[in-house]
Amino acid sequence: GAGVSQSPRYKVTKRGQDVALRCDPISGHVSLYWYRQALGQGPEFLTYFNYEAQQDKSGLPNDRFSAERPEGSISTLTIQRTEQRDSAMYRCASSPRPGQGGGTGELFFGEGSRLTVL
Amino acid sequence: QQQVKQSPQSLIVQKGGISIINCAYENTAFDYFPWYQQFPGKGPALLIAIRPDVSEKKEGRFTISFNKSAKQFSLHIMDSQPGDSATYFCAASKGGGATNKLIFGTGTLLAVQP
Repeated sequence: GAGVSQSPRYKVTKRGQDVALRCDPISGHVSLYWYRQALGQGPEFLTYFNYEAQQDKSGLPNDRFSAERPEGSISTLTIQRTEQRDSAMYRCASSPRPGQGGGTGELFFGEGSRLTVL
Repeated sequence: QQQVKQSPQSLIVQKGGISIINCAYENTAFDYFPWYQQFPGKGPALLIAIRPDVSEKKEGRFTISFNKSAKQFSLHIMDSQPGDSATYFCAASKGGGATNKLIFGTGTLLAVQP
């Protein structure tokens, strides 16, 4: 497809389980971002990559959260030992330009992965 | 820590009317201010953006007004249409328009009644 693709779209898991959320950015896009969006709130920055390098992970809530983008394309956000407070919509976005150095500033968001931790 | 405050939380406007959504920011280092539009079940999409070197930017029926001294910016939707019904998010970042860390407002749910 032409847009940012995320999978799974919906994930229900039990507390304590690990989950992996996948993001396939728009082809050729250099930068990839992970955001978390609680119901009724705006997206909250988690982390971002330029190519395969993780540039900023200051938004990751704690060390149970990690992300990788090993080949500079598909990215995986992993949450270990999930807790109920992790329940949210996790959104991936990509941009054709690196995250520093200017550009149009436009982020292209996917439709998200809704995580529910029971 | 909410660095971008958005109001109102929800807004109902009649078709043809003007929709106005306001945002205020705290960090004077912010230098890029986009508005994103989100329809139900979809991800946010860039609508219009402004940099602080101008006080107003207009694209079709959508206008951003920017007040640097007050650290405020607003979105005006002229001749509002039912198709404009969506959630609108203001955002801000620093670094010359870099997208490395957009700070979003809490969103405004706009309903345009026919």
